[in-house]
Amino acid sequence: DARVTQTPRHKVTEMGQEVTMRCQPILGHNTVFWYRQTMMQGLELLAYFRNRAPLDDSGMPKDRFSAEMPDATLATLKIQPSEPRDSAVYFCASGLTVTGDTGELFFGEGSRLTVL
Amino acid sequence: AQSVTQLDSHVSVSEGTPVLLRCNYSSSYSPSLFWYVQHPNKGLQLLLKYTSAATLVKGINGFEAEFKKSETSFHLTKPSAHMSDAAEYFCVWGNDMRFGAGTRLTVKP
Repeated sequence: DARVTQTPRHKVTEMGQEVTMRCQPILGHNTVFWYRQTMMQGLELLAYFRNRAPLDDSGMPKDRFSAEMPDATLATLKIQPSEPRDSAVYFCASGLTVTGDTGELFFGEGSRLTVL
Repeated sequence: AQSVTQLDSHVSVSEGTPVLLRCNYSSSYSPSLFWYVQHPNKGLQLLLKYTSAATLVKGINGFEAEFKKSETSFHLTKPSAHMSDAAEYFCVWGNDMRFGAGTRLTVKP
């Protein structure tokens, strides 16, 4: 049963610490999205990649956030240094984009981050 | 900028009555549009997708949505609400998969 896998599922850290969240997209998918969900802001698009190339990271605070795809089976989202306002659930999703049309996105279960 | 607007942050219906969740889009061309659902403490699941093949799109769990270009709308409907429909519903702009603010659906017994 193919699924998007995110680790860690839960993370509690202290302000100033580095946090790395990982995502394994579904094999064969060529598009990966990172979202952040909070009560106040809803689901925000942070960044997305197609064929491992970043297409849009305008939703990400550039000074502390970075997103990469070292290979087709791994996407990472790093926060350094973390701040309490980064506390949220971070979702990764993958999909197959054909001729510019992204089909269904499959979501991971999310990484719940708490920064104290 | 192209985007979607969900007109209601919260909708409450009684079980067995119709559901209407409203979504308008802003675009100079026909977009691809999605509806996703998120049940409490769960991930997100695709309900249905519009890609211009047909204006009336049927999804899972009895939901459907109609694309109306004249009204720039893509409202989600269901004839009869069930308790299990209580969740957060998101309209999504398909070109870059940006989510609307969400509509929380409450179903009263």
